Amino acid sequence: DTGVSQDPRHKITKRGQNVTFRCDPISEHNRLYWYRQTLGQGPEFLTYFQNEAQLEKSRLLSDRFSAERPKGSFSTLEIQRTEQGDSAMYLCASSLGLAGALVTDTQYFGPGTRLTVL
Amino acid sequence: KQEVTQIPAALSVPEGENLVLNCSFTDSAIYNLQWFRQDPGKGLTSLLLIQSSQREQTSGRLNASLDKSSGRSTLYIAASQPGDSATYLCAVRDYGGSQGNLIFGKGTKLSVKP
Repeated sequence: DTGVSQDPRHKITKRGQNVTFRCDPISEHNRLYWYRQTLGQGPEFLTYFQNEAQLEKSRLLSDRFSAERPKGSFSTLEIQRTEQGDSAMYLCASSLGLAGALVTDTQYFGPGTRLTVL
Repeated sequence: KQEVTQIPAALSVPEGENLVLNCSFTDSAIYNLQWFRQDPGKGLTSLLLIQSSQREQTSGRLNASLDKSSGRSTLYIAASQPGDSATYLCAVRDYGGSQGNLIFGKGTKLSVKP
């Protein structure tokens, strides 16, 4: 399978614990995005990378959240001191972001990691 | 600030019906609009992407239109099947503060009854 993969698919943790999620994008894609989706809502943007550079972070990404993409391939999203309000589906997407080609840039999503904070 | 609205929030139809899902957005300065399908508890599957200069895109039984000036898009599903049951999301990529992300509506939950 050459699509976007995410690990783990499900994570249950206790409030206050740290969690880390991994995303492996489609191999030739240089852009990688993280979104969060709560029940009954559409996904909300968290952050995105072009290669290893983190180009943008949403205001939703509090200081407890950190994302990395050290070699421009896979990415990790860490949440420190989890809170019940962090319970959500965390979605990763990737795209082939060619310069000047935003109009045709299609984002492909992974299956998501569902986080439950007890 | 770009806002995306989808109407209706839920729709139930008998198998075989043609149906239309609606999406509206407040700022017409967009690069493209993308329609996705999401099955319960799963990620998103891209259905169609319409560039800002295009009026429509077709894939099989699906046809998506875009009227950028009025801030509207529709997704037409022909001859609906029970397997089409899912939540359908539309998202725009706009010129606004962020060029990196998609801005999503809340989705339309479609149920096709056999």
